[in-house]
Amino acid sequence: DQQVKQNSPSLSVQEGRISILNCDYTNSMFDYFLWYKKYPAEGPTFLISISSIKDKNEDGRFTVFLNKSAKHLSLHIVPSQPGDSAVYFCAASPSGGGADGLTFGKGTHLIIQP
Amino acid sequence: AAGVIQSPRHLIKEKRETATLKCYPIPRHDTVYWYQQGPGQDPQFLISFYEKMQSDKGSIPDRFSAQQFSDYHSELNMSSLELGDSALYFCASRPRASYNEQFFGPGTRLTVL
Repeated sequence: DQQVKQNSPSLSVQEGRISILNCDYTNSMFDYFLWYKKYPAEGPTFLISISSIKDKNEDGRFTVFLNKSAKHLSLHIVPSQPGDSAVYFCAASPSGGGADGLTFGKGTHLIIQP
Repeated sequence: AAGVIQSPRHLIKEKRETATLKCYPIPRHDTVYWYQQGPGQDPQFLISFYEKMQSDKGSIPDRFSAQQFSDYHSELNMSSLELGDSALYFCASRPRASYNEQFFGPGTRLTVL
């Protein structure tokens, strides 16, 4: 049973435009959400996170939106750059503190076209 | 900036052998996590340690064990290896007294023949 779902295995976006990656979750106990970027043969790189008490968090070109009632979050990348081409994982945790393991989605492969 | 160090980066073992993976967290990070990523899969949480004590447990097989040492490095011990254990094993660490933002190492690719 996949508790964190990324329903788009891949997404193609033109350079300079906005990339929107979506994520849904089913477990109501999840309280903290993160996005990671991953290149082949490398470990995931932390991008941005959001606590369930917020509905938006912004860091440079990256913004994460959380709709807790819909159990949905999205990552917006503006403007998209060629170096953004990678697999993006959504992850969730029962709390912001503690040493809880993360539950990951299956990832979305973002391709930025020139 | 210092990153999480994992060794070895690649490991080839035969079925029924044992393997030990090592993880050195970022300095001043006190929490370590282990994940397993199979081919085409998402990372699966195995186990975590906070201040040298086991903290959270995921889908870690009974054949695997892990510990965190006084210098905060961690080792994942895997016995009676099976073909299905072939995967990328990631270690992650988290800064002291921070939110659950985990920083991942480059991974160890284990191949069981």
